[in-house]
Amino acid sequence: DQQVKQNSPSLSVQEGRISILNCDYTNSMFDYFLWYKKYPAEGPTFLISISSIKDKNEDGRFTVFLNKSAKHLSLHIVPSQPGDSAVYFCAASFQGAQKLVFGQGTRLTINP
Amino acid sequence: KAGVTQTPRYLIKTRGQQVTLSCSPISGHRSVSWYQQTPGQGLQFLFEYFSETQRNKGNFPGRFSGRQFSNSRSEMNVSTLELGDSALYLCASSLDSWGDQPQHFGDGTRLSIL
Repeated sequence: DQQVKQNSPSLSVQEGRISILNCDYTNSMFDYFLWYKKYPAEGPTFLISISSIKDKNEDGRFTVFLNKSAKHLSLHIVPSQPGDSAVYFCAASFQGAQKLVFGQGTRLTINP
Repeated sequence: KAGVTQTPRYLIKTRGQQVTLSCSPISGHRSVSWYQQTPGQGLQFLFEYFSETQRNKGNFPGRFSGRQFSNSRSEMNVSTLELGDSALYLCASSLDSWGDQPQHFGDGTRLSIL
C-alpha cells in the first residue's frame, strides 16, 4: 500500500523553463509535506516543506503547492537550471512523528 | 555548520554476520531517524530516536535495532545479515521529535551482503 505516489518516473525540461513535479497521497492524516533532491552517491537534500494549514510555500526558485481536497502536492522550479538535474522525492509525515513516508522519486533532467 | 555524518560509507559483509552503522547528527539536533533505500522498495523508515528513546518504528524485523547516546549520536545494528539487507542506509537528524521540523540526511552507508 503506497501512501505517497510520484507517478512520473522521469521528467525532461529545457533550461530556463518551469519544472513541475507532482505527488499524490492517500492518507488524509498526513499534515506535513516535504520535497528532497538527491544526487547519486549523496543523501537526500531538503528543499522545501509545507504544513497542511497552508496551500503554498515559496523559497527562492522553489514553490510547493498543496491541494488537500485532491490530496495532491506539486513542486515548481522557476527558472530551471542544469544543476537542478537530480532525483526528486516528495515525503509526508504526521504531526508528532518524525517518520517520513516517501514517494518513489522523479528523475528530473534539465536540458541546455 | 557540519552536516549529518555517517560511518562507514561502504561496508561488505557475508550472510549471517552482524553489522553496526554509526550516525552523528547536526549539532543541536536531538532526533535521529534511520531509513533503508533499495531499488525495489525505495526509501523506507526504520526507526527514530529522541532523548535516547525509540519513539517510532517501521515495519522491519527485530534483526534491525538501534540506540541513541546522550550526545544524540546513534547507531543501528543488523544481526544475522541476509542478502536482501543489501541497501543504502540513511540517517537523518532534526531539531526535535515533532513532525513539523525537516529532517536532514547524511550521505549514507552502502551495505553489500555477499
